[in-house]
Amino acid sequence: SYELTQPPSVSVSPGQTASITCFGDKLGDKYTYWYQQKPGQSPVLVISQYNKRPSGIPERFSGSNSGNTATLTISGTQAMDEADYYCQAWDSSTGYVFGTGTKVTVL
Amino acid sequence: QLVESGGGLVQPGGSLRLSCAASGFTVSNNNMNWVRQAPGKGLEWVSVFYSGGGTHLADSVKGRFTISRDNSKNTLYLQMNSLRAEDTAVYSCARDPTWGTPGYFDYWGQGTLVTVSS
Repeated sequence: SYELTQPPSVSVSPGQTASITCFGDKLGDKYTYWYQQKPGQSPVLVISQYNKRPSGIPERFSGSNSGNTATLTISGTQAMDEADYYCQAWDSSTGYVFGTGTKVTVL
Repeated sequence: QLVESGGGLVQPGGSLRLSCAASGFTVSNNNMNWVRQAPGKGLEWVSVFYSGGGTHLADSVKGRFTISRDNSKNTLYLQMNSLRAEDTAVYSCARDPTWGTPGYFDYWGQGTLVTVSS
């Protein structure tokens, strides 16, 4: 089955750039999406198809995907960005797949 | 809007049926999914009912869970049989609005808690 692997945690200082990676076999051949989840809340899509931001998502969120790795970048990180982040893709054999999740801490 | 119901406490080996009532859009025109999250754990995709009519289950629930939809009620269901302790989670329904290659989830329900314990 297809798997996506993320680092368990990322720490960033306010105003700095946070990069969250997502690794999967030939992930660059797939569309990769990103979600933000805060405690007690449902996930929110922050990066959509073609690495676009859905309406209402700040410009500081961006995505890229190449080779075996997709990356979510948060530029000028703010305290409100502290949350869990999940990558997600679709595989014809496995179905929808979520990454293992990354906890972003803004120190 | 997506509103789930049907969760609760069930003994190992028992059954539950979850419902997800949709409003504001047509369930049959979208890929409708169930996603679960065990306490303190990550997101796990469970099942999809594709807009074209096909279904797909994660390996972890294959043979035990069944997904269905009632177009007249605009509602998605998840029948869960032979429940195990490891099925304990908040179950949420989520909409994938994409055509062609399945994609992302743009709307999520608040979820319903399923607890499997004796």
